[in-house]
Amino acid sequence: DIQMTQSPASLSASLGETVTIQCRASEDIYSGLAWYQQKPGKSPQLLIYGASSLQDGVPSRFSGSGSGTQYSLKISSMQTEDEGVYFCQQGLKYPLTFGSGTKLEIK
Amino acid sequence: EVKLVESGGGLVQPGRSLKLSCAASGFNFNDYWMGWVRQAPGKGLEWIGEINKDSSTINYTPSLKDKFTISRDNAQNTLYLQMSKLGSEDTAIYYCARATIAAPWFAYWGQGTLVTVSS
Repeated sequence: DIQMTQSPASLSASLGETVTIQCRASEDIYSGLAWYQQKPGKSPQLLIYGASSLQDGVPSRFSGSGSGTQYSLKISSMQTEDEGVYFCQQGLKYPLTFGSGTKLEIK
Repeated sequence: EVKLVESGGGLVQPGRSLKLSCAASGFNFNDYWMGWVRQAPGKGLEWIGEINKDSSTINYTPSLKDKFTISRDNAQNTLYLQMSKLGSEDTAIYYCARATIAAPWFAYWGQGTLVTVSS
């Protein structure tokens, strides 16, 4: 199985701050990566797919980048509504696997 | 509007079976792969498996392959998850999710149904 390692496990950011979350795959996943946001008590929401494509309706302050085994999610200006847990997911090989999550809070 | 509504969760004794359903609406169910993902309390997401449009291909995470069975009824726009030999480790919220066309990302999720395995 492809292991997905996220960092950091948690972080806090001030309003307007730029936030970056990292995801590392145990092997090359050729940009086969998605990012999800999950708010407390809610279902996950797809933010980014194919490593860098923004899902319809997702604010443009979210962006994804990376290649090979290293990927990142950037929030260019932290907003209150961005609090939640963020997960990466690889889609290259079965079984599909998720990272362990990064909890993002407002400072 | 795309809607996925899970049902069938609840309290079940260890060793017993349970079948979850996911009613889909707002899109052509026949055109999409569908999957199940679970989340233990306070934990991360675990992909269970997914099924293709005509049920000819079903993929599972290896550790659950012998316990869980995914199926679908395209005439009823419904996805199913049959779970057997349940243990406390299966206590989780179970989500059904719709994959995007031709890609293994989940753009739509149900609200989830909680399964609690306890005596």
